[in-house]
Amino acid sequence: DTAVSQTPKYLVTQMGNDKSIKCEQNLGHDTMYWYKQDSKKFLKIMFSYNNKELIINETVPNRFSPKSPDKAHLNLHINSLELGDSAVYFCASSHSRAGNTIYFGEGSWLTVV
Amino acid sequence: GQNIDQPTEMTATEGAIVQINCTYQTSGFNGLFWYQQHAGEAPTFLSYNVLDGLEEKGRFSSFLSRSKGYSYLLLKELQMKDSASYLCAPRNDGNNRKLIWGLGTSLAVNP
Repeated sequence: DTAVSQTPKYLVTQMGNDKSIKCEQNLGHDTMYWYKQDSKKFLKIMFSYNNKELIINETVPNRFSPKSPDKAHLNLHINSLELGDSAVYFCASSHSRAGNTIYFGEGSWLTVV
Repeated sequence: GQNIDQPTEMTATEGAIVQINCTYQTSGFNGLFWYQQHAGEAPTFLSYNVLDGLEEKGRFSSFLSRSKGYSYLLLKELQMKDSASYLCAPRNDGNNRKLIWGLGTSLAVNP
């Protein structure tokens, strides 16, 4: 069973569209994250939730909106997609915000054309 | 400010030992992670150090010196499959306990 699963794995879409990436973890963790990794391989935190509460909200465009219906799920919705949004988006989870292991999902490759 | 410094690229030979260094500056400190990332894949956890000293786990060991803001990852008996990026990520000690990610060191293991 996949510990952190995210869908879709690949997404190609046109500028201006709205898309969502879903993430689920079956580890019973309290904390979940969304990371963006660009073409230069720089891994940047976007959001983190702890028990459905937003605890990290980095400086990202407000076109990006996370939603956590419960602590096992953290979805990412992106409005009005732009070319610069093309990247790999990783969902991750940890036991707590101070957990000593963070588990990553397989990534969602988003290409905006 | 917060900053991570590790070599961009390294090359080593199969069977050898390689040490990947990382220096960091963070707003407070709550442990340091090392992750491995193969091309096209997600980062996978290698080690976590919160106290000074060496943590050994099979072929991989990680060292931490908090006073020097320094860590290294030691890979022994290198295998071709160890060719990957190695990411150093210290964590700050604020309420959100955020990891600060470096750009990683791309290691190429040659036969």
